[in-house]
Amino acid sequence: AQTVTQSQPEMSVQEAETVTLSCTYDTSESDYYLFWYKQPPSRQMILVIRQEAYKQQNATENRFSVNFQKAAKSFSLKISDSQLGDAAMYFCAYRSHLQTQGGSEKLVFGKGTKLTVNP
Amino acid sequence: NAGVTQTPKFRILKIGQSMTLQCAQDMNHNYMYWYRQDPGMGLKLIYYSVGAGITDKGEVPNGYNVSRSTTEDFPLRLELAAPSQTSVYFCASSHSPLQGTQEKLFFGSGTQLSVL
Repeated sequence: AQTVTQSQPEMSVQEAETVTLSCTYDTSESDYYLFWYKQPPSRQMILVIRQEAYKQQNATENRFSVNFQKAAKSFSLKISDSQLGDAAMYFCAYRSHLQTQGGSEKLVFGKGTKLTVNP
Repeated sequence: NAGVTQTPKFRILKIGQSMTLQCAQDMNHNYMYWYRQDPGMGLKLIYYSVGAGITDKGEVPNGYNVSRSTTEDFPLRLELAAPSQTSVYFCASSHSPLQGTQEKLFFGSGTQLSVL
């Protein structure tokens, strides 16, 4: 079974600075997706960024980028120019890409990292 | 756009009571999911459905039941509520991954349930 580990329960960053959130995972599969989801106090889960395992290029979305190290099974999230609105819980998640119906339904989440942004 | 709609947003139950958490999506998604989120934890999959009439167990299905009579609706039933079911419940949906790179999950805003 796949597992996702986020070793930082809490992180803090100064506004406008850069912060990196860590995520490692364990799987025997070669093809999969990785995600970072943001959960603000409103509870709504918001997709921040995703990475396909077969792509070597790291995904970027505006101020958000990832460092995907497939061999090390590491998937960290870098937030540049941090803003007050970035404060939230961040969840790393794994999803299989098995090409059979019912094979990729399981999105496995880490326990989350609470990010505080200080003005 | 409504997206994924969950009702109710909050509910308090007494031990042994039953209730149904409602979930509806208007995006014509085949896949639907129920997750629970305990304090300080990530989301755990309770049940999922890959289409109308098809459901299957996730990681933590005990104490719950689901049905999927239509593409739009995926209700979650708690038959005999227990304190261990106190949690925040999220419904989510997505296109079938067989249709391409539509693996993004759309989440509802959650239902906070307390069993006392």
